[in-house]
Amino acid sequence: TQLLEQSPQFLSIQEGENLTVYCNSSSVFSSLQWYRQEPGEGPVLLVTVVTGGEVKKLKRLTFQFGDARKDSSLHITAAQPGDTGLYLCAGADDNQGGKLIFGQGTELSVKP
Amino acid sequence: NAGVTQTPKFRVLKTGQSMTLLCAQDMNHEYMYWYRQDPGMGLRLIHYSVGEGTTAKGEVPDGYNVSRLKKQNFLLGLESAAPSQTSVYFCASSYSTGSRLAFFGQGTRLTVV
Repeated sequence: TQLLEQSPQFLSIQEGENLTVYCNSSSVFSSLQWYRQEPGEGPVLLVTVVTGGEVKKLKRLTFQFGDARKDSSLHITAAQPGDTGLYLCAGADDNQGGKLIFGQGTELSVKP
Repeated sequence: NAGVTQTPKFRVLKTGQSMTLLCAQDMNHEYMYWYRQDPGMGLRLIHYSVGEGTTAKGEVPDGYNVSRLKKQNFLLGLESAAPSQTSVYFCASSYSTGSRLAFFGQGTRLTVV
């Protein structure tokens, strides 16, 4: 069974601070994705990483895929209240016939 | 474009009742998924489909059935609802190749009393 472990599960910080969220697994994934979800809405894709060691930047967000394609991290620089939400990582394994599995999520609260 | 549309958005069932949740996508995606979301547990995969006429079990399939008779539709059925199935259900679809980024519906909030 493939599992994705996210940490931390909850994070409460002040505006302007930096933070990192981790997504770890013992399994190799073909690609790893990060989503953001707001209350009452479905998750919305932020980024996909497909190559081991890949780093992608989206404004103040930096995403990294581990060299072995088993883990990923999301780093937010100078967090803002608008970053508040649930962050989810998801892994796809093309050898597992179409499965897309999710971590348990990180609930981020950024206080002004 | 509508993207992924789920119906209904809210539903209250009595224990033992049955119901079907409908998911429709207009992006010609091959893959479709049903997830349930409970506090602190992220999204758990119930069933998924890699094409019309095919379905497969996910992480938590017990108590649910699915059908994919048409490429654009993926139905999730509860034959005999139980309070443990109280949850928010999300449908998603994705391409079968490349990064497989998924598009989600708005969710269905189901309460079983």
